[in-house]
Formats: sequence, C-alpha cells, structure tokens
Amino acid sequence: QKEVEQNSGPLSVPEGAIASLNCTYSDRVSQSFFWYRQYSGKSPELIMSIYSNGDKEDGRFTAQLNKASQYVSLLIRDSQPSDSATYLCAAYTGGGNKLTFGTGTQLKVEL
Amino acid sequence: KAGVTQTPRYLIKTRGQQVTLSCSPISGHRSVSWYQQTPGQGLQFLFEYFSETQRNKGNFPGRFSGRQFSNSRSEMNVSTLELGDSALYLCATSPGTEGNEQFFGPGTRLTVL
Repeated sequence: QKEVEQNSGPLSVPEGAIASLNCTYSDRVSQSFFWYRQYSGKSPELIMSIYSNGDKEDGRFTAQLNKASQYVSLLIRDSQPSDSATYLCAAYTGGGNKLTFGTGTQLKVEL
Repeated sequence: KAGVTQTPRYLIKTRGQQVTLSCSPISGHRSVSWYQQTPGQGLQFLFEYFSETQRNKGNFPGRFSGRQFSNSRSEMNVSTLELGDSALYLCATSPGTEGNEQFFGPGTRLTVL
C-alpha cells in the first residue's frame, strides 16, 4: 500500500463546475497535509495546507481533512481552464520531516 | 522575499559522469529537501538537510549524496550517472520545524545520454 494515494485521472470538468480531488494516506501519525499544483514542465506550487479535521477555505479552493478516515480532499469551485494542471497531495510520513507525495491527479477544465 | 533558486536549470551528461546541483533557500529557511521527479515514479524523496546535517533520507543508492553549508545553501551530487537518473531534480525549502510548508525551486532538468 502506498503511503499517499491519488486517482491519476484525468478528471475532466466543464468550466464553472466544481472539481473534486481526493487523496488517502496510510500513516495514522501524519498530522500535516498539503496540496500542490504542477503545470506541465514547471515545479510544484503550494496552494493549500491543512492540519486540523474539517474544512479550510482559501478563495476558490477548499481543503477537507478527515483523520479518522485518513482522507484529504481539494475542492475547486468555479473551475477555470487555467486550473488545468496536475494536483499533488502530500503528507509528512514516518515521523520527522519527510514529505511523501501521491502520484498526482491530472485535472482538465474544458470550455 | 526571493524564492528558492536552483542552478543549473538544465544539464546534459553522459553515463559514468558525475553531476553537482545547487539549491539556495528562501531567506530564513534552514531545511532543504531534495526530490527526484520522473514520469514513471512521480516525486520521490531523496534526503533532507537541516543545520548542515542530513536529517532524513529516502531509498536511493549511495551514488546520490548531498550536503548543506552554514548559509543553508545545499548541493546534491550524483556520481557514476546512469540513464535512469534522467529526471527533474527539485529542491524544496522550509523553516525547518516539523510540519512546515515546503516551497519548491524551479528544478534542474538532468538528461543522461
């Protein structure tokens, strides 16, 4: 079992719709979770961090964390073509400062 | 605040050679982590340095090594290059406290011929 798992996609949504990206993790000790966006040929860009159960909103982005279910999600409201990218879920695993990434979900926002 | 910088941005080497990549962190960041990204394996953790000491290590062979200087700048070295080492090498920096957000540099694209 991988430490951080994501559906690779692609996930296609129409412009203006809500995109829902999901991630599960196996290390129950993990306390810090992150979502990165990576455009093709570029490096990952941090868009959200979440540390407590519940929702955290930042503009069009909402991160959700459920530690009991070991589940993290990212909602993108009013999706735009510029949101088309690969979204990487990450968590600190195994104690210490090792950040483990999922394989990423490719999102395509269609006109 | 200046972001994370990495040099060089692109490198072409041949098998058997060695390479050194450099990462300069955001001012005040003391932790530098290195990652390898390939299409097949995704983002893989190489190692993390904090206060000039390797604090965490991933599952890579000893050909991959690194170090950190007193100004928090870090270098990684790959010796005896193999074709499979072709990848995007990324560094990410953070203040160093466990759980901190990490910010990536632009990466070094290494091609091994």
